[in-house]
Amino acid sequence: AQTVTQSQPEMSVQEAETVTLSCTYDTSENNYYLFWYKQPPSRQMILVIRQEAYKQQNATENRFSVNFQKAAKSFSLKISDSQLGDTAMYFCAFTRDDKIIFGKGTRLHILP
Amino acid sequence: EPEVTQTPSHQVTQMGQEVILRCVPISNHLYFYWYRQILGQKVEFLVSFYNNEISEKSEIFDDQFSVERPDGSNFTLKIRSTKLEDSAMYFCASSDSAIAVETQYFGPGTRLLVL
Repeated sequence: AQTVTQSQPEMSVQEAETVTLSCTYDTSENNYYLFWYKQPPSRQMILVIRQEAYKQQNATENRFSVNFQKAAKSFSLKISDSQLGDTAMYFCAFTRDDKIIFGKGTRLHILP
Repeated sequence: EPEVTQTPSHQVTQMGQEVILRCVPISNHLYFYWYRQILGQKVEFLVSFYNNEISEKSEIFDDQFSVERPDGSNFTLKIRSTKLEDSAMYFCASSDSAIAVETQYFGPGTRLLVL
């Protein structure tokens, strides 16, 4: 089965702290893409960061960065200098064929 | 910046009624998708569509569901006879290439409530 596992259902951190959300996935493919999506209370799906599996360099987008370990099939998201607006549900996902497979999400609370 | 739009944002319907959810993908995109998210659960793939036909569908996408691109801009999901368990957020997405599946752009979603 090709799945995504997010082992932290819920996390809380203080504003300005750094937080890491974990994700592991299982695929038999060699070429694929990995994502972290943010879903705020509005429930819109917002792409936070994307990683191409054939690239060894970890992707970064401003305060967001990933730690991609292909052999371990691990794809964690680090949020630096967390802000109140980062409070949301975060979904890890990867591509299989022409669709995206999502994990169950981690609910992140940024506390003032 | 171009974006995927969806209408309506919310829909309430009675069980057994037909609903049509509408999506306007980004104009130069050729690949279209529907996903579903039941409240509190993960987002699940329903169907992908290219060149006026279904490319792939999940086991969720049974005979009650259909998709259509009735004109050059809209992409619709029809649920023929809604069930209580169809209550969910439905997301449309589009991509300019199946190879570029990594750049699926999601719409804001339609929240469907079946009573």
